[in-house]
Amino acid sequence: SQQGEEDPQALSIQEGENATMNCSYKTSINNLQWYRQNSGRGLVHLILIRSNEREKHSGRLRVTLDTSKKSSSLLITASRAADTASYFCATAGANSKLTFGKGITLSVRP
Amino acid sequence: EAQVTQNPRYLITVTGKKLTVTCSQNMNHEYMSWYRQDPGLGLRQIYYSMNVEVTDKGDVPEGYKVSRKEKRNFPLILESPSPNQTSLYFCASSPSDSPYSNQPQHFGDGTRLSIL
Repeated sequence: SQQGEEDPQALSIQEGENATMNCSYKTSINNLQWYRQNSGRGLVHLILIRSNEREKHSGRLRVTLDTSKKSSSLLITASRAADTASYFCATAGANSKLTFGKGITLSVRP
Repeated sequence: EAQVTQNPRYLITVTGKKLTVTCSQNMNHEYMSWYRQDPGLGLRQIYYSMNVEVTDKGDVPEGYKVSRKEKRNFPLILESPSPNQTSLYFCASSPSDSPYSNQPQHFGDGTRLSIL
């Protein structure tokens, strides 16, 4: 299956700490995307990293991609209570559609 | 404001009573898709559409129908709903006429369906 698998399933940290979430997948990809879902809302696209990229930044977000290990990580620096949400990675290969993982629940304690 | 709008947001209904969940986007996107989200299973694609009058099955299409008569609208139809279709449903769109272009998707806020 192309589906990414996130790790850990749940993460609880203190405000101000960094949060690191991981995604592993099984086959080659064109790109990998991270989404956030606040409780009761739709998914919001955060960042896209292409297969020929190794690292990408967007504000407090840093995404890395290691195609040799078939894994990606999402780092949120200086976390805030407002970062509390579920985070999903989504993967797609050359001839396959975007497939979402099951998500990571992040809780940031004030 | 660019958005994907779903209606209704919540619906409780009974087995066998036909229902339609509407989805509309104002971004002139070619690609639209329906997902269902269930605990422990993540998001699973039901149907997608690459453009007007072009629709195709996703991973879990059984029990659902869709249509794409206009670019902006992509309704999801449950002809004879059953309790196993109780779920949280999301419509999404992206600016591509190919499901393989893997563009970022824009999601609606979801529709929570309960089938009794």
